[in-house]
Amino acid sequence: QAGLTQPPSVSKGLGQTATLTCPGNSNNVGNQGAAWLQHHQGHPPKLLSYRNNNRPSGISERFSASRSGNTASLTITGLQPEDEADYYCSAWDSSLSAWVFGGGTKLTVL
Amino acid sequence: QVQLVESGGGVVQPGRSLRLSCAASGFTFRNCAMHWVRQAPGKGLEWVAATSHDGSNKYYADSVKGRFTISRDNAKNTVDLQMNSLRSEDTAVYYCAREEGAPDYWGQGTLVTVSS
Repeated sequence: QAGLTQPPSVSKGLGQTATLTCPGNSNNVGNQGAAWLQHHQGHPPKLLSYRNNNRPSGISERFSASRSGNTASLTITGLQPEDEADYYCSAWDSSLSAWVFGGGTKLTVL
Repeated sequence: QVQLVESGGGVVQPGRSLRLSCAASGFTFRNCAMHWVRQAPGKGLEWVAATSHDGSNKYYADSVKGRFTISRDNAKNTVDLQMNSLRSEDTAVYYCAREEGAPDYWGQGTLVTVSS
C-alpha cells in the first residue's frame, strides 16, 4: 500500500519554528485530512492533531496543523528540547480502505 | 482514564501463529473503532488492521491480508489480533489504538519476534 511522503529529517534551533510537510492525494490527505503523531522511542505515539487542526486536550498550542489541497503540514513554534522526536502524518485512504502512514520525520532541535 | 494494555507478544518461529490481545478500559469501548499498528526495529509506524465499533467491518494492510485476523469482544472490552504464517518481517512492536477521529490513545505495545 502506498504511504504518505515525509522528509526523513529536519533540524532547527532552539526556539525556532519547524514546519513538517506531508504530501498525499485526493483519496487520503485531500479527503478527510491528516492526523499528526509524535513518537519518542520507547513510548507509545501521541496524537497531536487530527482532521487537519483538531487538537486533543492537553496538546500545546505550539503544535498547529493545516492542509493545502492534498498536502498536510505541521508547524511547531518555539522549539523545545522535548520536541525532538519522530513525527508521523497519517490518514484514512478511501480508495485503499486502509490507514496510511508517512515514513516519519526525525526532528532534531539544535 | 483511557487505558489500553496489549499482551501476547513473544518469540515465535517462522510459519507459526501468535495471538495478541488488547484490554481496554476508561471509555465506552463499543462506540470506538480499534486499530493495530506496528513498528519494526529501525522502521516507521505501519498500520496493520482495524475493526469498526461493532466488528462488522474489518480492514487489513496488504502485507498481512489473508494471514492476520482482527476481532473484538464488546462484552469483554478486548480486541485481538490472530497472526498466522508469521514471517521474519512481522517482527515488530505491536500497538493497539483507539480511534476517535484518528488513532488517539495507544497502548504501550507488545514485542513480537519471529525467529528460528
